[in-house]
Amino acid sequence: DVKVTQSSRYLVKRTGEKVFLECVQDMDHENMFWYRQDPGLGLRLIYFSYDVKMKEKGDIPEGYSVSREKKERFSLILESASTNQTSMYLCASTIPGHYGYTFGSGTRLTVV
Amino acid sequence: RKEVEQDPGPFNVPEGATVAFNCTYSNSASQSFFWYRQDCRKEPKLLMSVYSSGNEDGRFTAQLNRASQYISLLIRDSKLSDSATYLCAVRNYGGSQGNLIFGKGTKLSVKP
Repeated sequence: DVKVTQSSRYLVKRTGEKVFLECVQDMDHENMFWYRQDPGLGLRLIYFSYDVKMKEKGDIPEGYSVSREKKERFSLILESASTNQTSMYLCASTIPGHYGYTFGSGTRLTVV
Repeated sequence: RKEVEQDPGPFNVPEGATVAFNCTYSNSASQSFFWYRQDCRKEPKLLMSVYSSGNEDGRFTAQLNRASQYISLLIRDSKLSDSATYLCAVRNYGGSQGNLIFGKGTKLSVKP
């Protein structure tokens, strides 16, 4: 089974802190994604990457950046955390083609 | 019109009931279709892909209607453990090539 591992299940950070969320997948997937999920708003795509060193903005990239230095690892960075970034963050990966995504177990981030 | 739409529910059904969800999509060129299950405060998990000819997995049947641009999920003999939110996902090609677009989910609650 593909495993997508997110480094933390729960995280509490202070406003203005720089926050790193890590995601690692073990199945050599090319494509990786970061979403946030909020009640009533569904899954919203923040950033995605189709290859090492490659990144593209999703629907809500403001306030976030990403890093993909190795194929298996895709990091989401909150440059200066704000309370409106309190959310569930989900990482996903897949291979190109007609395949679904595998999600990590999520990081529930609270910014106080 | 939103790209992928679902009735948010909740659908409250007794054990043993048959329940069906629909998911409409706006892009007639959509190529791949999926149903995901998401338990409360957990990550979405792929339930099944949806093939043009329809497909069945135990008590679950998925169908695609390209003419009317919707996919459906039928659950027979509902179990308490089927209580969850069901997300549909659609993949288009071109633009954000290869990315899934998710509906906001339909909540199912199966009661004893």
